[in-house]
Amino acid sequence: NAGVTQTPKFRVLKTGQSMTLLCAQDMNHEYMYWYRQDPGMGLRLIHYSVGEGTTAKGEVPDGYNVSRLKKQNFLLGLESAAPSQTSVYFCASSYPTGPFSNQPQHFGDGTRLSIL
Amino acid sequence: GENVEQHPSTLSVQEGDSAVIKCTYSDSASNYFPWYKQELGKRPQLIIDIRSNVGEKKDQRIAVTLNKTAKHFSLHITETQPEDSAVYFCAASGNAGNMLTFGGGTRLMVKP
Repeated sequence: NAGVTQTPKFRVLKTGQSMTLLCAQDMNHEYMYWYRQDPGMGLRLIHYSVGEGTTAKGEVPDGYNVSRLKKQNFLLGLESAAPSQTSVYFCASSYPTGPFSNQPQHFGDGTRLSIL
Repeated sequence: GENVEQHPSTLSVQEGDSAVIKCTYSDSASNYFPWYKQELGKRPQLIIDIRSNVGEKKDQRIAVTLNKTAKHFSLHITETQPEDSAVYFCAASGNAGNMLTFGGGTRLMVKP
């Protein structure tokens, strides 16, 4: 049972390049989330999904897209990377028993992304 | 939307002393309040959480208190040890997507 796995762990991009970050969980969790964490700051929600085939915007969605084609995977895409997107990206998942029935979120190890 | 403020941003204590971190939230509908510990370069890890139907919860040296009327909650760590040194984040949630809004974090340093 690996929990939440993020790939890649590190990446350096040039401005304007695109890439996709992959999050995979093997806990059969319904809800998945993408956060970014900038130095000395808390985590901010980018996008989230409450089930296969669904996605929704979080606090800072601009410049990112997501897809949840399979329940276990949640992909975060950067279409045209900008230096302001240099950050550490964390994926998380949880298994709520229903809306408003919060359960703990389990985090992956993060992807450190630098955009030059 | 929800806004969570966390204080202090840094906290230095002597080993064996207690540490208290405080958070306030803005949305009275929030009903779930987890605390995460993040060591340098690592993932956030849940250390304790509390729901709005409970005023206090304790787990060994860690306790959390919640005051719904004042909309604030606190983390208490007793008998601190050097391995408690980390960044601690509070968060709040109360929406259909179970989304968390995080505070800015507190860097706790425990001096041996």
